[in-house]
Amino acid sequence: GDSVTQMEGPVTLSEEAFLTINCTYTATGYPSLFWYVQYPGEGLQLLLKATKADDKGSNKGFEATYRKETTSFHLEKGSVQVSDSAVYFCALSDNTGFQKLVFGTGTRLLVSP
Amino acid sequence: NAGVTQTPKFRVLKTGQSMTLLCAQDMNHEYMYWYRQDPGMGLRLIHYSVGEGTTAKGEVPDGYNVSRLKKQNFLLGLESAAPSQTSVYFCASSLGTREQYFGPGTRLTVT
Repeated sequence: GDSVTQMEGPVTLSEEAFLTINCTYTATGYPSLFWYVQYPGEGLQLLLKATKADDKGSNKGFEATYRKETTSFHLEKGSVQVSDSAVYFCALSDNTGFQKLVFGTGTRLLVSP
Repeated sequence: NAGVTQTPKFRVLKTGQSMTLLCAQDMNHEYMYWYRQDPGMGLRLIHYSVGEGTTAKGEVPDGYNVSRLKKQNFLLGLESAAPSQTSVYFCASSLGTREQYFGPGTRLTVT
């Protein structure tokens, strides 16, 4: 079945450092790809998405490019802030009748001043 | 606009007790979902509904039942709680195949 693999955390960075969180997927067909963010004590929020190969999703300084050839959707940000500390989930949807999401295990990001 | 709300926020149960978690959304979404989140396992789909009066099993449905009597509400029931059901439960809703909106979660502990 479909699956998503994320790098294990926590990822610990200093403010203004460059961030990469790796995500690879296994799926039949052509899934849509998502990054969700979970701030402490809250539910998940959609951060960005891409629906087809070579699409780049971006939001709040984060971006990720749908790479079909490497089945990857790595999350990047050029300069992280303390407020970016959260858990980040990569997910895919197989684009069948409804949006069934398959999640990765999540990567915790800790940013220190 | 409240979005997706969940009650209660926290609950402690003894093994064998029953309870119902309530999810409500005010966005007129057709689709609603129940997930559980466990350490190191991401979110797993328990049950979902594609419309009022319909429900279907997800990835981990055993030990849970659901009902969708009204479009805006999706109830998750535990008939006889077990320690393995200790988890954080999230409800979500979506308009068709678009973005899912998540509630704040319910932390359940079964002793």
